[in-house]
Amino acid sequence: KAGVTQTPRYLIKTRGQQVTLSCSPISGHRSVSWYQQTPGQGLQFLFEYFSETQRNKGNFPGRFSGRQFSNSRSEMNVSTLELGDSALYLCASSSQGWVNTEAFFGQGTRLTVV
Amino acid sequence: DQQVKQNSPSLSVQEGRISILNCDYTNSMFDYFLWYKKYPAEGPTFLISISSIKDKNEDGRFTVFLNKSAKHLSLHIVPSQPGDSAVYFCAASAVGYGGSQGNLIFGKGTKLSVKP
Repeated sequence: KAGVTQTPRYLIKTRGQQVTLSCSPISGHRSVSWYQQTPGQGLQFLFEYFSETQRNKGNFPGRFSGRQFSNSRSEMNVSTLELGDSALYLCASSSQGWVNTEAFFGQGTRLTVV
Repeated sequence: DQQVKQNSPSLSVQEGRISILNCDYTNSMFDYFLWYKKYPAEGPTFLISISSIKDKNEDGRFTVFLNKSAKHLSLHIVPSQPGDSAVYFCAASAVGYGGSQGNLIFGKGTKLSVKP
């Protein structure tokens, strides 16, 4: 069974640009969550999608957005990049999205904003 | 305000001994707790969880203890092995209050080093 796939693995962007990250969940999983990991703040929840609908949203500015397609694949977009957006972006998939079911994380996309 | 705190950024233990990782929380609505392990260049891996209706959950070498009155949980690894060396994250959620995967609040992690 293939795991969660995130592309690209590494990305370097310039301040002010926008970026799109992709996440392919495990086959059959309908919930995809996105997290930002930074050394200072740890893992912070961005948003969760379930069956193409955003079900939960964390405390991030509107520059951060996402969507989910009918095949459960999800994309995350960050517009007008800032230096502080440099982080490891992780997505996690689970079958239903309830916390008492195991979530599987991808390897992450390392975004560097210069 | 940090709702889930892992006050020890790092912990070093000898192989074969017990590793105890601690986690404190402030939100009394949290009713489900999880531990994840993360190796460098990999995503976090689910390790073990516990519901607030229990005070202990065991899975092989890993045991999680929950003390609701102290708002404290701990992960015990016995015996510790060099392959356990990783960053361990504690996470909490308020499932009974409409929680879902998206309501996971993570601590900042503790880096465990198990020396041979």
